[in-house]
Amino acid sequence: AQKITQTQPGMFVQEKEAVTLDCTYDTSDPSYGLFWYKQPSSGEMIFLIYQGSYDQQNATEGRYSLNFQKARKSANLVISASQLGDSAMYFCAMRELYTDKLIFGTGTRLQVFP
Amino acid sequence: KAGVTQTPRYLIKTRGQQVTLSCSPISGHRSVSWYQQTPGQGLQFLFEYFSETQRNKGNFPGRFSGRQFSNSRSEMNVSTLELGDSALYLCASSLAALAGDTDTQYFGPGTRLTVL
Repeated sequence: AQKITQTQPGMFVQEKEAVTLDCTYDTSDPSYGLFWYKQPSSGEMIFLIYQGSYDQQNATEGRYSLNFQKARKSANLVISASQLGDSAMYFCAMRELYTDKLIFGTGTRLQVFP
Repeated sequence: KAGVTQTPRYLIKTRGQQVTLSCSPISGHRSVSWYQQTPGQGLQFLFEYFSETQRNKGNFPGRFSGRQFSNSRSEMNVSTLELGDSALYLCASSLAALAGDTDTQYFGPGTRLTVL
């Protein structure tokens, strides 16, 4: 069965610094997609970045990049130049093959301080 | 382009009642999925609809049901509410023309249900 593991319940980072949020996954599917979402206190899940299992390059979206290491089954999110507005819960998720079903990790609460 | 909308945003019900939540996907999106988020269980998949057909279902009791209309709008219904049904219910939509497509799911703001 697929599983997403996020081992950092909480992280602190100073404004303008970079931070890495860890995510490891387990799957036997030959093809899969990995996603990161941000959930502010308002509750809405905001899509940040996507990485396909066959993508040769690490995904990047503005200040977000995904450090994808397929052999290690890890898909860490890197946020560069943190901003106060980045304070939120961050979820790593994997899409099951042939479905729209997302399997989520337990999340990491990021707090950015001045 | 308007995002995913969910109504109502907040709901308070008592045990034994039933509730219906609504989700309107992004224009052009044909797949709608529902998730339940609780502090104890985290984010759990409820079901997915595509072209008015349930394409996938999570591990929830039969009290949880859903449907999708021809305009892709979706509703989920919970009958005989229990205290444990208190949660944030999130709806997500994607283009997903074919199962296995890697289109991104975009989420709505959620409906926060409180069962007293």
